[in-house]
Amino acid sequence: DAGITQSPRHKVTETGTPVTLRCHQTENHRYMYWYRQDPGHGLRLIHYSYGVKDTDKGEVSDGYSVSRSKTEDFLLTLESATSSQTSVYFCAISGAGFHNEQFFGPGTRLTVL
Amino acid sequence: AQSVTQLDSQVPVFEEAPVELRCNYSSSVSVYLFWYVQYPNQGLQLLLKYLSGSTLVESINGFEAEFNKSQTSFHLRKPSVHISDTAEYFCAVSESGQGAQKLVFGQGTRLTINP
Repeated sequence: DAGITQSPRHKVTETGTPVTLRCHQTENHRYMYWYRQDPGHGLRLIHYSYGVKDTDKGEVSDGYSVSRSKTEDFLLTLESATSSQTSVYFCAISGAGFHNEQFFGPGTRLTVL
Repeated sequence: AQSVTQLDSQVPVFEEAPVELRCNYSSSVSVYLFWYVQYPNQGLQLLLKYLSGSTLVESINGFEAEFNKSQTSFHLRKPSVHISDTAEYFCAVSESGQGAQKLVFGQGTRLTINP
């Protein structure tokens, strides 16, 4: 398995609180991605990174921000969590070369009450 | 922009029966196509991919998919399923070319194998 970990694996929080999810890789891959998975929607791209300090928006970026200060870490922040952000969040990584597959982390289940 | 439609949200089949999971996509540009599998409480794993060349692609565990450009489809098939194939399957598309691989996923198809 590709070396990807996500923390925490489960989190319950209240509306209006800030939340940060962490993705850590040991593969030294260039590209990192954050997706959310919701029933009936499959996975949707939130943000992605193409290098340290280089990030861009995905399909559903409103209400989320990201940071990547080191190759191995990609953080997803919900500045003020809402109930609509209750979801399972997956991090993925891929190497250079467009055809390289994406490897997915185990996911973080976030519940916003 | 691309979009992906998986025509069946759930597919129940008996063990050793054949199965087809349908996937149609929409795109105005050239694309790459993927099937991912998600076992319960796990992340996604790549099952197979079409980038170029032969339109029929195969996985190591007996699945195959055929890229049909005229019908904009990439259906997944297996001639004989096993209990261990029970999982959710996602079709995905990305724009072909260099750079970040921004995947667009279908809604998923839950495959249930009955003994």
